[in-house]
Amino acid sequence: KNQVEQSPQSLIILEGKNCTLQCNYTVSPFSNLRWYKQDTGRGPVSLTIMTFSENTKSNGRYTATLDADTKQSSLHITASQLSDSASYICVVSANAGNNRKLIWGLGTSLAVNP
Amino acid sequence: DAGVTQSPTHLIKTRGQHVTLRCSPISGHKSVSWYQQVLGQGPQFIFQYYEKEERGRGNFPDRFSARQFPNYSSELNVNALLLGDSALYLCASSNRLAGGKLETQYFGPGTRLLVL
Repeated sequence: KNQVEQSPQSLIILEGKNCTLQCNYTVSPFSNLRWYKQDTGRGPVSLTIMTFSENTKSNGRYTATLDADTKQSSLHITASQLSDSASYICVVSANAGNNRKLIWGLGTSLAVNP
Repeated sequence: DAGVTQSPTHLIKTRGQHVTLRCSPISGHKSVSWYQQVLGQGPQFIFQYYEKEERGRGNFPDRFSARQFPNYSSELNVNALLLGDSALYLCASSNRLAGGKLETQYFGPGTRLLVL
């Protein structure tokens, strides 16, 4: 069964600190993995997209890693800011013939406190 | 350029009623996907349309239906509303079939539906 699991479910950190969010998946056949940031009451915004051959990709203070062998990904946030408070969602894309299927994780809720 | 737009922004219905939600993708985008997001959870995939054809369907009952028009805008219809249909309904557009390598989905602000 295609699944995406994220941990932790929620996280509270102090402004300026770093944090790492985890994503484990069992999706086949794997196409790519995405991380989204979703602010409360808004639609998700794409942070990174990684294919099978990519191990790491950065977007400003966000760095995503992918280990396709162990089917794990992480999102590292450096020098956190109050505006980083949001839900971070891992999404894995699977090929399904002529169609594609996006399997969404439940997200990690991050709160950055001053 | 306008991003993905959705209407209405908020909606209140009663059980058993029908609802139609609308989405206009980014200009030039041919794919529209619909998601349901219950409070505190990640989005759940409902439908994807590309070039006016259904190209993906999530695990939702037949009460949910959608269509895409020649101008690539889309409607999501839900019949016989249940209390559990209360959620944020998100529309996402992409230039090509969503989920492909390097293909980014751009989300609208969503329609918040409350079923009483």
